[in-house]
Amino acid sequence: DQQVKQNSPSLSVQEGRISILNCDYTNSMFDYFLWYKKYPAEGPTFLISISSIKDKNEDGRFTVFLNKSAKHLSLHIVPSQPGDSAVYFCAASSGSSGGSYIPTFGRGTSLIVHP
Amino acid sequence: ETGVTQSPTHLIKTRGQQVTLRCSSQSGHNTVSWYQQALGQGPQFIFQYYREEENGRGNFPPRFSGLQFPNYSSELNVNALELDDSALYLCASSLKAVSGANVLTFGAGSRLTVL
Repeated sequence: DQQVKQNSPSLSVQEGRISILNCDYTNSMFDYFLWYKKYPAEGPTFLISISSIKDKNEDGRFTVFLNKSAKHLSLHIVPSQPGDSAVYFCAASSGSSGGSYIPTFGRGTSLIVHP
Repeated sequence: ETGVTQSPTHLIKTRGQQVTLRCSSQSGHNTVSWYQQALGQGPQFIFQYYREEENGRGNFPPRFSGLQFPNYSSELNVNALELDDSALYLCASSLKAVSGANVLTFGAGSRLTVL
């Protein structure tokens, strides 16, 4: 049973436009959410995160929105650049499991930004 | 500051064999986590080590085992390999998590193919 779901395997966007990547979760105990980006032949790298006490976090071109009632979060990239082309993983964690905060990952969304 | 390094980068084994994958943590990190990423899937948590002891385990059978050494480097051992063990194995280091804000630093992974 997937607790973190990324239902869009891929997304194609034109350079300069907005990219919106979506993520849904089922475990109401999750209280921290992170996005990682992965280029081919590299490991995932941390991009941005948000605590469940917030509904928005912004870092430059990247903004994450959290809707707790819908158990949904989204990553907005504005404006999108060709270098943003990568696989984006949504991850969620909680301290309920003995305070471990071990993240659970979604399957990822492959973003392609066309010049 | 050195990142997370994993070895080997690629290897091929046959069913029933055993494999050992190695990981060197990022300088200053004391916790190591291992993830399995099958094709088209997100990283699945195998286990985590802190102070040379297992600190959490995902839904993987006992033939998946690990070690953490005093210098915080780590090994993942898989016995009695099965075809479904073919995957990218990712090692991630971090500080001991005290909140969900804990960020993992991943290596580039070891690609295991079981024939």
